[in-house]
Amino acid sequence: DQQVKQNSPSLSVQEGRISILNCDYTNSMFDYFLWYKKYPAEGPTFLISISSIKDKNEDGRFTVFLNKSAKHLSLHIVPSQPGDSAVYFCAAYSGGGADGLTFGKGTHLIIQP
Amino acid sequence: KAGVTQTPRYLIKTRGQQVTLSCSPISGHRSVSWYQQTPGQGLQFLFEYFSETQRNKGNFPGRFSGRQFSNSRSEMNVSTLELGDSALYLCASSLGSLATYNEQFFGPGTRLTVL
Repeated sequence: DQQVKQNSPSLSVQEGRISILNCDYTNSMFDYFLWYKKYPAEGPTFLISISSIKDKNEDGRFTVFLNKSAKHLSLHIVPSQPGDSAVYFCAAYSGGGADGLTFGKGTHLIIQP
Repeated sequence: KAGVTQTPRYLIKTRGQQVTLSCSPISGHRSVSWYQQTPGQGLQFLFEYFSETQRNKGNFPGRFSGRQFSNSRSEMNVSTLELGDSALYLCASSLGSLATYNEQFFGPGTRLTVL
């Protein structure tokens, strides 16, 4: 049973536009969420995180929104740049980290010129 | 500061053999976690080591084990390899344990192929 779901395996966005990546979760014990970015042949790189006590966190071009009642979070990238083309993973912590990070299966973002 | 390093980067083994993978965390980091990435299951948590003690373990059989040394370097061992163990094995380090929701820094991974 997948507890963190990224329902879009891929997303294509034009350079300069907004990219919106979505993530849904089922485990109500998740209380800390992170987004990671992964290039081929490299490990995931941390992008941005949000605690469940907040509904928004911003860092430069990246903003994460959390809707706890809907068990949904999203990552907004504005403006999208060619270097943003990568696989983006949504991940969550629960229970004081006892289960490690639970990852979604990723969304491949393609930024088109 | 050097990142997380994993050796070897690629490995080919046959069924029934055992394998040991190595991970050197970022200097000063005391927690090392291991993950398995496969196309079907995605990234799955194997276990975490902090201060040479296994703190948490994911839902994997006992064939998967690990250890951590006093310098925080960690090794992961898989015994009696099965075809389904073919995967990318990622190591991640963090300053504190996962219990404090530390940001994890990932290595490039070891690609294991079991024939």
